[in-house]
Amino acid sequence: KAGVTQTPRYLIKTRGQQVTLSCSPISGHRSVSWYQQTPGQGLQFLFEYFSETQRNKGNFPGRFSGRQFSNSRSEMNVSTLELGDSALYLCASSLEQTGNTIYFGEGSWLTVV
Amino acid sequence: EDKVVQSPLSLVVHEGDTVTLNCSYEVTNFRSLLWYKQEKKAPTFLFMLTSSGIEKKSGRLSSILDKKELFSILNITATQTGDSAIYLCAVGVQGAQKLVFGQGTRLTINP
Repeated sequence: KAGVTQTPRYLIKTRGQQVTLSCSPISGHRSVSWYQQTPGQGLQFLFEYFSETQRNKGNFPGRFSGRQFSNSRSEMNVSTLELGDSALYLCASSLEQTGNTIYFGEGSWLTVV
Repeated sequence: EDKVVQSPLSLVVHEGDTVTLNCSYEVTNFRSLLWYKQEKKAPTFLFMLTSSGIEKKSGRLSSILDKKELFSILNITATQTGDSAIYLCAVGVQGAQKLVFGQGTRLTINP
């Protein structure tokens, strides 16, 4: 069974631009969450989607947004990129909304120059 | 504020040694504690613990949770160079698929 798939794997953007990252969860998984990983802050929760609805949101500015489609695939968008947004963005999926193991994708490495 | 603290932050040992990694937490609405291994890619799931005192074991790795003292340990016996990685502890909260992560322990196994 395929794991969590994220695209693109690597990208470089310029300050002020916007970026969209995509995530396909494990087949049958309906809950998708996003995390930002940086050397200084570690892994931090961005938001979580279940059945196309955002259920929880972390402490990130409104420039970070996301959505989930009816097939459970998810996208996250960062607008007006800043240098500090350079990070590994990890998508995770699980079977239901609570109580299940969360599996991570390989991540999208974003560099903002 | 929810908090997960891991110690040590970095550990260097020789192949064959046994290591113990620590994770303490202060999280409201605790649901579960998870351990992940991260090399230069996605965190790989190791264990999920929900009940105190029940050891989970997988090969040379084992883990246990103490919900009274709010901590967990991850043990690795007979370490191998392939165990070199960052080990992440995370706590899941009730009512959400949100994980609160610790800073990670960077484990290096020297041959």
